[in-house]
Amino acid sequence: TQLLEQSPQFLSIQEGENLTVYCNSSSVFSSLQWYRQEPGEGPVLLVTVVTGGEVKKLKRLTFQFGDARKDSSLHITAAQPGDTGLYLCAGAPGNQFYFGTGTSLTVIP
Amino acid sequence: DVKVTQSSRYLVKRTGEKVFLECVQDMDHENMFWYRQDPGLGLRLIYFSYDVKMKEKGDIPEGYSVSREKKERFSLILESASTNQTSMYLCASSLLAGGYEQYFGPGTRLTVT
Repeated sequence: TQLLEQSPQFLSIQEGENLTVYCNSSSVFSSLQWYRQEPGEGPVLLVTVVTGGEVKKLKRLTFQFGDARKDSSLHITAAQPGDTGLYLCAGAPGNQFYFGTGTSLTVIP
Repeated sequence: DVKVTQSSRYLVKRTGEKVFLECVQDMDHENMFWYRQDPGLGLRLIYFSYDVKMKEKGDIPEGYSVSREKKERFSLILESASTNQTSMYLCASSLLAGGYEQYFGPGTRLTVT
């Protein structure tokens, strides 16, 4: 059983479409982070959300931390081929740090 | 710019060989990590280090060891490589304790034949 479950696992959409990726847990996190990993590269940190209910925007990407700090979502508006990659959420409910199962996004031109 | 480098992008080794994967960071971070990434299993922590000469086991340390003689360098050692250690290996470092806000290297894709 994974501590951080992401859905969907795979997503293939056309350029210009909107999408939302979810990261869920039964544990409470002091913060959650989102990373993007492009094929053949290491993950790159996109954002950290800290406060329950917090919303952060990074250009066309909107990140939200759930009120109870057990879940988070990533919404991409007008997806572009450059958004293609593996999206990972991550956090530490206690002393150990965990990565989510990942959502593999493909944006088709 | 923050930088984490790994000694090889691709590596092919034979079963039973001793394998060294090197990782260097230039950010003066205390914390360094080694992960392996496999399809369907995600990122799994092998070992981490919070200080020079200090190491802690992660979730899957069996078959691996590590060395951290200098702050900037963290090495992963496969004592006797096996085919089930074929994987993508990722090194990361972080300034914050607890693994927050990690900076990753480009990864080493290791194939053991």
